[in-house]
Amino acid sequence: EAGVAQSPRYKIIEKRQSVAFWCNPISGHATLYWYQQILGQGPKLLIQFQNNGVVDDSQLPKDRFSAERLKGVDSTLKIQPAKLEDSAVYLCASSLQSGSYEQYFGPGTRLTVT
Amino acid sequence: GQQLNQSPQSMFIQEGEDVSMNCTSSSIFNTWLWYKQDPGEGPVLLIALYKAGELTSNGRLTAQFGITRKDSFLNISASIPSDVGIYFCAGLRTNAGKSTFGDGTTLTVKP
Repeated sequence: EAGVAQSPRYKIIEKRQSVAFWCNPISGHATLYWYQQILGQGPKLLIQFQNNGVVDDSQLPKDRFSAERLKGVDSTLKIQPAKLEDSAVYLCASSLQSGSYEQYFGPGTRLTVT
Repeated sequence: GQQLNQSPQSMFIQEGEDVSMNCTSSSIFNTWLWYKQDPGEGPVLLIALYKAGELTSNGRLTAQFGITRKDSFLNISASIPSDVGIYFCAGLRTNAGKSTFGDGTTLTVKP
């Protein structure tokens, strides 16, 4: 079974530029999560989708971050414009359904904002 | 918001030694999870705990769900070099489906 795929693996941009990350969850997984992991910290949930609907985006900085999950499969996370403090690893995870403890994580995208 | 406190922040041990780490919270959780993260990878689930007082093992790993539901412990016995990594606890309220993660315990094992 293929795992969660993410791309790109690394991205370096200047502040005020835009960036987008892509995630392909495990086939059949209804729930998709985006986490931000700052160096030295645990993952922090940004947004949770159930199929193509948003379940929780309470910690998403909506003035600059946006995410979508068209057709309930792949998802993209966008930052526009980026700030220095957005430097982090962005992890995508998926699970069979909302509330399931078994979240499977992708390898992440390491973003550096200069 | 909710916060999980993991301790210790880092550990340096000799191969073969046992390791203990813990996670505490001011909030009650229905489920406690322990993950391991290797460099350049996402976290991988090691053990899940669903009931207060529950003790669960996975090979050399043993974890316990605290009676108060506000804490959890992870023990690793007879450590080996591949145990190196960052161990995260996460609390989950299953009705909300959202995991809150601690900041991790970094484990270094010297051969």
